[in-house]
Amino acid sequence: AQSVTQLGSHVSVSEGALVLLRCNYSSSVPPYLFWYVQYPNQGLQLLLKYTSAATLVKGINGFEAEFKKSETSFHLTKPSAHMSDAAEYFCAVSLNTNAGKSTFGDGTTLTVKP
Amino acid sequence: DTGVSQDPRHKITKRGQNVTFRCDPISEHNRLYWYRQTLGQGPEFLTYFQNEAQLEKSRLLSDRFSAERPKGSFSTLEIQRTEQGDSAMYLCASSYREFWTGELFFGEGSRLTVL
Repeated sequence: AQSVTQLGSHVSVSEGALVLLRCNYSSSVPPYLFWYVQYPNQGLQLLLKYTSAATLVKGINGFEAEFKKSETSFHLTKPSAHMSDAAEYFCAVSLNTNAGKSTFGDGTTLTVKP
Repeated sequence: DTGVSQDPRHKITKRGQNVTFRCDPISEHNRLYWYRQTLGQGPEFLTYFQNEAQLEKSRLLSDRFSAERPKGSFSTLEIQRTEQGDSAMYLCASSYREFWTGELFFGEGSRLTVL
């Protein structure tokens, strides 16, 4: 079985500041890891994914995440926040052996202050 | 646009009524998933199809819930005798088994409000 824990349900940063959203996972086999973004009343959009290639993954809108097996972490970062980054972010884990299902964390709401 | 589409986007109903949601996946995708998302939580898996076969159902899917994908294309999720606890966003997602790269492609969801 797999699980995801997102530390901090709400994160607030100033525009231009570093964004750091934390995600830890638990998996019995090598996982695939994802970050999705969700804007109000919309579905989820993939930001980036880790599928056992490079441990530092770059995604859309300037986001990146680093897979650290020793820490079972997959934290999301962006060097400089923009107002348009305000949204809810979900970390997810999936296994190739599990019919492609993903298990999601409870999400982190990012607020960007002007 | 050939993404995942869901209909209706919003549904308000009275307790005890039946509701049905439809999902049209990306055309070449043979896997289709239903998730439920309540306020402040991440999506929770309900069920999934590979082609027309429903291969797994979560224990979250009570007897009042039924999902179908009759021809392996669109899918419907029906909730009978709705309860206030059914109020949530119902998300549909799809993927392609043969070229599985892990991510799910989501529709914009169907929000259900049960009064």
